[in-house]
Amino acid sequence: DAGVTQSPTHLIKTRGQQVTLRCSPKSGHDTVSWYQQALGQGPQFIFQYYEEEERQRGNFPDRFSGHQFPNYSSELNVNALLLGDSALYLCASSLEGRLYYGYTFGSGTRLTVV
Amino acid sequence: RKEVEQDPGPFNVPEGATVAFNCTYSNSASQSFFWYRQDCRKEPKLLMSVYSSGNEDGRFTAQLNRASQYISLLIRDSKLSDSATYLCVVSRTFSGGYNKLIFGAGTRLAVHP
Repeated sequence: DAGVTQSPTHLIKTRGQQVTLRCSPKSGHDTVSWYQQALGQGPQFIFQYYEEEERQRGNFPDRFSGHQFPNYSSELNVNALLLGDSALYLCASSLEGRLYYGYTFGSGTRLTVV
Repeated sequence: RKEVEQDPGPFNVPEGATVAFNCTYSNSASQSFFWYRQDCRKEPKLLMSVYSSGNEDGRFTAQLNRASQYISLLIRDSKLSDSATYLCVVSRTFSGGYNKLIFGAGTRLAVHP
């Protein structure tokens, strides 16, 4: 079963550095959403990509940017890392118009900023 | 106020107990409703969708009250393997036609022998 694949699984970065996280959606899915989950909290919406365009973003600064490729895979970039960016970053894929079936999540990238 | 609010937990229950989780949502435009389960340091996984008429899946029963903007999850005959965080999730469509999932903070369940 080709579920959602995220890489890397763990990452340690220094404040001020930049990071790129990658996501391959579940086979047949065309929409990718990114979430940030801090310890003890629910996932917070960062942005969503469909047809290679960012459709909407949550309450995150411009340091967070992304991209979707023609094969539906996606990247999340974070510039000028802050200690507060330490979190689990989740990629979720879905099929446009089929939200009723929910999202499929990848296992996440655990980012630690030191 | 958060858009999705859940019981803070943790719930510590013995095996075999029945436990109920409650959730309220603030936006009446919310369209679809879900319960997700998240194990420690793992990704959320869809437990069940919640239908307007209520629905059951084995030991799990979900209820939705649109008028009160209230969602519940009942787990009967709790198992040790039910220990996890349960996330209440709603979705709605925004201008431009896209929709997104909005998560509660989760309620932690610990089932003990």
